[in-house]
Amino acid sequence: NAGVTQTPKFQVLKTGQSMTLQCAQDMNHEYMSWYRQDPGMGLRLIHYSVGAGITDQGEVPNGYNVSRSTTEDFPLRLLSAAPSQTSVYFCASSLYGGTYQETQYFGPGTRLLVL
Amino acid sequence: KNEVEQSPQNLTAQEGEFITINCSYSVGISALHWLQQHPGGGIVSLFMLSSGKKKHGRLIATINIQEKHSSLHITASHPRDSAVYICAVKSEGTGNQFYFGTGTSLTVIP
Repeated sequence: NAGVTQTPKFQVLKTGQSMTLQCAQDMNHEYMSWYRQDPGMGLRLIHYSVGAGITDQGEVPNGYNVSRSTTEDFPLRLLSAAPSQTSVYFCASSLYGGTYQETQYFGPGTRLLVL
Repeated sequence: KNEVEQSPQNLTAQEGEFITINCSYSVGISALHWLQQHPGGGIVSLFMLSSGKKKHGRLIATINIQEKHSSLHITASHPRDSAVYICAVKSEGTGNQFYFGTGTSLTVIP
């Protein structure tokens, strides 16, 4: 199993550009999520999904869109990048999410710089 | 206001020392996680616990639900333990919201 994979590893954007951060998992996990990590702050939840076709907002969803057309893939879209979106983005997955006590598996992260 | 507070923020230890990292939280939880983030950035789950104590090798995690407090202990610390250790709690209710501490940066000197 490859686990959770993310592409790209690093990206530089200009303000106003759009891009999609890719996330995929091969563990047949129902729950997938996107976090951003900023200096001096804990990881913050952007969006999450409890299964194909089901997504919901996390703590900091503004400026980001998601969709979940398959169990394996959970892309994060920046429609019009802003410097405030400069961050490290992590995708994570777990078997069911919700109140189940289960391990979360993290991708390697994507470093995004918006100029 | 942070739902999860960790202490200390930074910690330097000599190889072989016993290390304790603390985590306090203010929300009702269904589980608490300890994560390790290496200098390369990758995040690995170390422990998930909702009561009592768990042990993996030299790592021990404890939780006191009544006091809303957890500790991560590392015995016989080694330079390869150098990393950022992150406490995360899974909220009650839907349980889909995680709250993360800002991490404790540990450096173990040979």
